[in-house]
Amino acid sequence: ETGVTQTPRHLVMGMTNKKSLKCEQHLGHNAMYWYKQSAKKPLELMFVYNFKEQTENNSVPSRFSPECPNSSHLFLHLHTLQPEDSALYLCASSLAGAGEEKLFFGSGTQLSVL
Amino acid sequence: KQEVTQIPAALSVPEGENLVLNCSFTDSAIYNLQWFRQDPGKGLTSLLLIQSSQREQTSGRLNASLDKSSGRSTLYIAASQPGDSATYLCAVKHPLDTGRRALTFGSGTRLQVQP
Repeated sequence: ETGVTQTPRHLVMGMTNKKSLKCEQHLGHNAMYWYKQSAKKPLELMFVYNFKEQTENNSVPSRFSPECPNSSHLFLHLHTLQPEDSALYLCASSLAGAGEEKLFFGSGTQLSVL
Repeated sequence: KQEVTQIPAALSVPEGENLVLNCSFTDSAIYNLQWFRQDPGKGLTSLLLIQSSQREQTSGRLNASLDKSSGRSTLYIAASQPGDSATYLCAVKHPLDTGRRALTFGSGTRLQVQP
């Protein structure tokens, strides 16, 4: 248990569905991240939130819509996805401005788009 | 643009062997470097973090070194065990004054330790 919880662990959705991924951190951190991990590719940064404000968007398609209502919760809203969006989606958090800025990851949501 | 490369991509060793995993990065201006472990289908677990001013960090059977000027880091695993089988990822953090908080990851080394 790293203190970062992601739900659901697995998700299968059709291309016309709308779903949301949820991430919650219990570490008192102020920065949260979404990463995408596809087979045989390095982890790709999607979004960064610092104190609930989006500070980085790595040219992610608009069919992925992040939401950060507070420093402890992060969502990724999904709609009209493509099969190539199938991947492991990882959430992470860190304490910005605290020296090491070590990242702590959740267990991920394995997404399959049919 | 920072790029991180890990060699080898895969490694299989018999139990008990000492081994070295390599990580290189193209831009030596980093804030820190982190080594992670990932089990199949799971999230990442942080193993060691080396600040840019440090040369190495140790935790149990693991030792990570950093040569920032040459853009290299190594992860040394002593007396490997089957439970060490996993993918090992290195990641570098940009300097804080860039305003970028995220890490840049390598593709990982997939390690298999044979009993």
